[in-house]
Amino acid sequence: QVQLVESGGGVLQPGRSLRLSCEVSGFGLSGYAMHWVRQAPGKGLEWVAVISFNGSNIFYGDSVKGRFVISRDNSKNTMYLQMNSLRREDTAVYYCVREVGSWGTFYTRQFDSWGQGTQVTVSS
Amino acid sequence: DIQMTQSPSSLSASVGDGVTIACRASQTIGHYLNWYQQKLGKAPKLLIYATSTLQSGVPARFSGSGSGTDFTLTINGLQPEDFATYYCQQSYSTPRTFGQGTKVEVK
Repeated sequence: QVQLVESGGGVLQPGRSLRLSCEVSGFGLSGYAMHWVRQAPGKGLEWVAVISFNGSNIFYGDSVKGRFVISRDNSKNTMYLQMNSLRREDTAVYYCVREVGSWGTFYTRQFDSWGQGTQVTVSS
Repeated sequence: DIQMTQSPSSLSASVGDGVTIACRASQTIGHYLNWYQQKLGKAPKLLIYATSTLQSGVPARFSGSGSGTDFTLTINGLQPEDFATYYCQQSYSTPRTFGQGTKVEVK
């Protein structure tokens, strides 16, 4: 079955760096655009970044632009999020998410599979 | 960026009640509107995509409607397992923005 497993979270001080990984199984990573979505404690869902199926198109949310880098290694079925210059407001659960697109009556795009999330806490 | 606004932010209901949650986009998004359910401590789960298509395995008491900028999620006959937070999301453009969430609580 489809599985997405995040790892790499932890507790660290402001200004430090961290790399999250998302290893997938049950499907080939190369066929899908992948996203990171985060959720701060007690808050809603915030979209972070997306990488296209082959890595050629990448976009970031304004709050992380210039500090975070999304990448993927399809041969390893793994996606990454390099988080630099971390701030207290980056404290959140980070979810790895698969986006599927399909044609029916019209084209659709939706987040159909989510990982369990990994906690990142930025605190001095 | 497209802003998504849900209402209400929370509601109280009883088992068996009908519940409606509204979602408004700041610009037209066609049919590119998805709904997710999140239970405490768990990852969100896709409920409805493309405004009204139920994800596989989702009970038929859930339904979605709307187009353009105004959308609704309806739960007919609330069940105990439906008490959760619901998010709308637009997939018309990047960034893929979410509504702020609607928490459905036990009355």
